[in-house]
Amino acid sequence: EVQLLESGGGLVQPGGSLRLSCAASGFIFRNYAMDWVRQAPGKGLEWVSAISVSGVSTFYANSVKGRFTVSRDNSKNTLYLQMHSLRAEDTAIYYCAKDGVGVTWPDALDPWGQGTMVTVTS
Amino acid sequence: QSALTQPASVSGSPGQSITISCTGTSSDVGGFDYVSWYQHYSDKVPKLIIFDVSNRPSGVSNRFSGSKSGSTASLTISGLQAEDEADYYCSSYTTSSTLVFGGGTKVTVL
Repeated sequence: EVQLLESGGGLVQPGGSLRLSCAASGFIFRNYAMDWVRQAPGKGLEWVSAISVSGVSTFYANSVKGRFTVSRDNSKNTLYLQMHSLRAEDTAIYYCAKDGVGVTWPDALDPWGQGTMVTVTS
Repeated sequence: QSALTQPASVSGSPGQSITISCTGTSSDVGGFDYVSWYQHYSDKVPKLIIFDVSNRPSGVSNRFSGSKSGSTASLTISGLQAEDEADYYCSSYTTSSTLVFGGGTKVTVL
């Protein structure tokens, strides 16, 4: 069974940093692109970032470009999201998701992890 | 990277069919056949129900179907059931090699 388990969320002050992790199991992690998606309280889904199978290619939403960095360690089956210069508007549940269901990437995401909450507040 | 446009809410009676639209531009929905749909219950994780416009993942009910015309994609739920009451989101690949979601549609079964 494919499982994705996020960790690393928490409370952080504006301007602070946080690193999220997503531990993958149940599939050959190194063969799939991976994504991060977030959902702010009471809001809809917002795509954040995607990373290729090797980690060489990465893409970001304009709202986080230059502040967030996605990476992966295929030897540890783990996806990361390093977040800097955090703002109140970054407050959200952050989900990692397996890409590669569709023809291209980033495309269809399945499955998703349970999510980890990030709260940016003073 | 403007969000795709979805109606805020759609409702229907049990057994009826409803359709949710997802409107984008030539830079996303209109430019590629890479539109997906997700079902999201408030206390659960989003679930992929349609990918690449009209494909259903294994295990997804055939009451869900997808289509696209120009820059508007659509999700149709046939034979509406109480369990279909959830939020539905579309997403599309873009010319910037990013993904963009719609604002979400709340489906209510009357």
